[in-house]
Amino acid sequence: AQSVTQLGSHVSVSEGALVLLRCNYSSSVPPYLFWYVQYPNQGLQLLLKYTTGATLVKGINGFEAEFKKSETSFHLTKPSAHMSDAAEYFCAVNSGSARQLTFGSGTQLTVLP
Amino acid sequence: EAQVTQNPRYLITVTGKKLTVTCSQNMNHEYMSWYRQDPGLGLRQIYYSMNVEVTDKGDVPEGYKVSRKEKRNFPLILESPSPNQTSLYFCASSSWTSIPDTQYFGPGTRLTVL
Repeated sequence: AQSVTQLGSHVSVSEGALVLLRCNYSSSVPPYLFWYVQYPNQGLQLLLKYTTGATLVKGINGFEAEFKKSETSFHLTKPSAHMSDAAEYFCAVNSGSARQLTFGSGTQLTVLP
Repeated sequence: EAQVTQNPRYLITVTGKKLTVTCSQNMNHEYMSWYRQDPGLGLRQIYYSMNVEVTDKGDVPEGYKVSRKEKRNFPLILESPSPNQTSLYFCASSSWTSIPDTQYFGPGTRLTVL
């Protein structure tokens, strides 16, 4: 079985501040990990993904995430928040053969001017 | 333009009135899936399909049906909708490779069942 826990359903940061969104996963086999972003009234868009290889993954819009197996974590970071980063962010894990993505409950990011 | 389209985008209906939400992708993807999104629960998979005529249940299949007669289309059918199926629905597709590939999502269908 696989599961994802996102700590903090709402996160607020000031423009220019560090963004840190937390994701912990549970998987019985080596996982594939994803971060998706959802802007208001839109579908989900892939930010970045970890499959194999380098544990620090860079994505679009300046975001990156680090896979830490010992901590079963895949936290999302961005050094400097921008107003356009305000959205809902979902962490997801896939560790099965049926390509089933299991999503976390989401974190709403608010960027304050 | 590569995309997943869903129709309708918004739908208000009454309990028991059969409805179909269409999903189509133009990327020749083998894998397609339906999710529902509810506040505080994230996205939960309803059904998925690994290719034409191959479908299987996800985490929350009760009250839903799907079919995959053509590679590009994957309609979601609610034969007797109930208020607890009021939700935001997303269709997604991806290619079938040796490792999980990016899933591309449609814009969503907001369904209200009265």
